[in-house]
Amino acid sequence: QPVLTQSSSASASLGSSVKLTCTLSSGHSTYIIAWHQQQPGKAPRYLMRLEGSGSYNKGSGVPDRFSGSSSGADRYLTISNLQSEDEADYYCETWDSKINVVFGGGTKLTVL
Amino acid sequence: EVQLVESGGGLVKPGGSLRLSCAASGFTFSRESMSWVRQAPGKGLEWVSSISGSSSYIFHADSVKGRFTISRDNAKNSLYLQMNSLGAEDTAVYYCARKVQAPGMSHLDHWGQGTLVTVSS
Repeated sequence: QPVLTQSSSASASLGSSVKLTCTLSSGHSTYIIAWHQQQPGKAPRYLMRLEGSGSYNKGSGVPDRFSGSSSGADRYLTISNLQSEDEADYYCETWDSKINVVFGGGTKLTVL
Repeated sequence: EVQLVESGGGLVKPGGSLRLSCAASGFTFSRESMSWVRQAPGKGLEWVSSISGSSSYIFHADSVKGRFTISRDNAKNSLYLQMNSLGAEDTAVYYCARKVQAPGMSHLDHWGQGTLVTVSS
């Protein structure tokens, strides 16, 4: 079954860009993932679905500043022109027939 | 607009039971798979259970298998989670989420606001 690995933390300055990484375990490099954002004290919010080809499909209302890309087993979430409200935890998610749903450990993004 | 509203959380003693509900609106509930996801204090997201639109397919995480049961009532647009034999490790915010189910896709795409379950004596 797939395992998703994320860095525990990241930081970037207001107005800059940041690229968060979610890595799929060996043998699962073609899997599609989803990215979710969880602002402090709030419920998670779906951001996008991201394929191994790099093609992504965003949820309703997700700003253009959010984009996705892929390279091998790595899935990226890039946030451009960072805003204070982007400070949040970011989780990747995937699935298969056995595990149904699995999450990465999450990355805590700090906007400096 | 898709809306998911959880209820039923609260304080329960170890070994006790609780039933969570999720009221859904803004989409054709019977056509969509649904899931429960929980988050312990200060921890990450943990998938709990999923159920298909017709209840034909049901999945539970190993951590809750035999203790929790997911179900739904499509006539009432409602999702449920029956939790038995609760322990301190079940203390968490429980989220209801809609699960996209299409060829090549099976991810969560809408979340409720969550309901807090605290297991303590």
